[in-house]
Amino acid sequence: AQSVSQHNHHVILSEAASLELGCNYSYGGTVNLFWYVQYPGQHLQLLLKYFSGDPLVKGIKGFEAEFIKSKFSFNLRKPSVQWSDTAEYFCAVRGGSYIPTFGRGTSLIVHP
Amino acid sequence: SQTIHQWPATLVQPVGSPLSLECTVEGTSNPNLYWYRQAAGRGLQLLFYSVGIGQISSEVPQNLSASRPQDRQFILSSKKLLLSDSGFYLCAWNPEGMGNQPQHFGDGTRLSIL
Repeated sequence: AQSVSQHNHHVILSEAASLELGCNYSYGGTVNLFWYVQYPGQHLQLLLKYFSGDPLVKGIKGFEAEFIKSKFSFNLRKPSVQWSDTAEYFCAVRGGSYIPTFGRGTSLIVHP
Repeated sequence: SQTIHQWPATLVQPVGSPLSLECTVEGTSNPNLYWYRQAAGRGLQLLFYSVGIGQISSEVPQNLSASRPQDRQFILSSKKLLLSDSGFYLCAWNPEGMGNQPQHFGDGTRLSIL
């Protein structure tokens, strides 16, 4: 069975600081990986995804994530965060079945 | 373009009352449909999913049930609500046969049980 772990539950940063949110998954085969974001009062939306190819994936709003197969990781990064990045971030993995498994989420607060 | 509608946005119900939350998708056919419950610090818990009319798979046995009476309609129900049913419920879809594609989520329903 597949599983996913997000290590940081709450992150507080100042604007312009760099961000890295950890995501590790457990599954022995080929995986699809996703990061979703939920801004306050808005619906959950896709930030970026990895299916195959270049392990460094670029998403919307300057976010990127790197798939490191040997570490079973798909960490989310942004070099310089903005106040508008305040949101909850979810990592998800899809392995053998087509049903993705979501992590517990990371709440990010960015102070202006 | 495809859109997903979920209602109501908020609902306050007494313990023991019935529940019906509705989700509809427009602009696509034969979507895969999902019901999730989102709890603070616990991520998204998959409750039900459906690959076609009348086909429902339950991931977590509990006080809730789901039905898909039409291709693009997914309903979450309960005959008697419990306090523990309080939470934020999300409907989602992705294209038929493309389960590896990202899901698209509705705006959610905030359910409070008194």
